Amino acid sequence: QVQLQESGPGLVKPSQTLSLTCNVSGGSISSGGHYWTWIRHHPGKGLEWIGYIYYSGKTYYNPSLKSRSTISMDTSKNQFSLDLSSVTAADTALYYCARAPADSSGYRYFDYWGQGTLVTVSS
Amino acid sequence: DIQMTQSPSSLSASVGDRVTITCRASQVISTYLNWYQQRPGKAPNLLIYAASRFQSGVPSRFSGSGSGTDFTLTISSLQPEDFATYYCQQTYSTPLTFGGGTKVEI
Repeated sequence: QVQLQESGPGLVKPSQTLSLTCNVSGGSISSGGHYWTWIRHHPGKGLEWIGYIYYSGKTYYNPSLKSRSTISMDTSKNQFSLDLSSVTAADTALYYCARAPADSSGYRYFDYWGQGTLVTVSS
Repeated sequence: DIQMTQSPSSLSASVGDRVTITCRASQVISTYLNWYQQRPGKAPNLLIYAASRFQSGVPSRFSGSGSGTDFTLTISSLQPEDFATYYCQQTYSTPLTFGGGTKVEI
């Protein structure tokens, strides 16, 4: 059973970089075809896809966040990470990591999710 | 970006009711449409992918249909554990986008 667990600071000051890590257990992030994903949920609003990294290392980002986002993998630790720079209060959200299989027909869907970690941006 | 519009944004129903939630895409997305259920304090849980394919372990009372721009999620007989918020998501093109959610209340 694949499990994902987010970790990182719950409070980040404005203009600083938000750094989160997703630890994956029950499967290797470097084997097989999967997209390792970051999604956030603003309080009282909808879900927003931040981006994902393919098992090969190729990254895809939401254009609205691309200039501030970096998703990377550490295969030795079986984890992947999100760095979001120059944060503001608008980046306050519940951040999830998730997995999407690379379906041969091109379908993407998030079948495993972490429990989420709340990040507040405040001085 | 492809905009996903769900309706209604909330509904009240009773155990045993048949419930239908709709999702409309701002452009044609074929069947690149997923449905998730989110209970309070929990992560979203995949119910349906590719518009009508069941995720393993999902009860058969959930079904999805549609293609192009219009999609539906149907719960044939609402159970107590189904009171939650439901989201649609398109994966036809990046950025992947979600609908605003439909809250199903007692």
